[in-house]
Amino acid sequence: DSGVTQTPKHLITATGQRVTLRCSPRSGDLSVYWYQQSLDQGLQFLIQYYNGEERAKGNILERFSAQQFPDLHSELNLSSLELGDSALYFCASSAGQGYGYTFGSGTRLTVV
Amino acid sequence: AQSVTQLGSHVSVSEGALVLLRCNYSSSVPPYLFWYVQYPNQGLQLLLKYTTGATLVKGINGFEAEFKKSETSFHLTKPSAHMSDAAEYFCAVRAPITGNQFYFGTGTSLTVIP
Repeated sequence: DSGVTQTPKHLITATGQRVTLRCSPRSGDLSVYWYQQSLDQGLQFLIQYYNGEERAKGNILERFSAQQFPDLHSELNLSSLELGDSALYFCASSAGQGYGYTFGSGTRLTVV
Repeated sequence: AQSVTQLGSHVSVSEGALVLLRCNYSSSVPPYLFWYVQYPNQGLQLLLKYTTGATLVKGINGFEAEFKKSETSFHLTKPSAHMSDAAEYFCAVRAPITGNQFYFGTGTSLTVIP
């Protein structure tokens, strides 16, 4: 157990639908990062939050949004889902700049 | 800007042979460098990292990597491959001054042949 908890582990949904992925960071970590991993795109950085505030944005589509709550858990919202959104979505947390990420085990999203 | 290039998307070695996974980086500032391993259906696990100090860093499971600034490289090695080393390996760079974001390479899939 890495200490970063992601739910659900698997999600199957239809095109056009909306889903919410949840992440609880490791205790004490203020930063949460979201990544998308697909076969053709590799690991793509989506967005970072630090202590409730958005810090950095990567290749995140406008149909996707995220937030970090006062208890530091984060949610990634994916809407108007398309087949191409099928991927593994990872959350990671970090204690600071000199530290590596601690990854959760991911949510596998399948859009049918 | 930062980027990472991993040479060889697939590497096969015999059990007991040397493992060498190549990583070259580009960074406008002194970088922090990381290697991660991903086993099937799992998240990424930190193998080792270089931030400052000794350029040869040792990680878990017998892996080590050497930061060579002149070659902008951070290759991952293990003297003797084990079947359990079969996994996907990712090199990543982080620029501590310009931001917190990690930039990952495209990964190298390691196969260990018995």
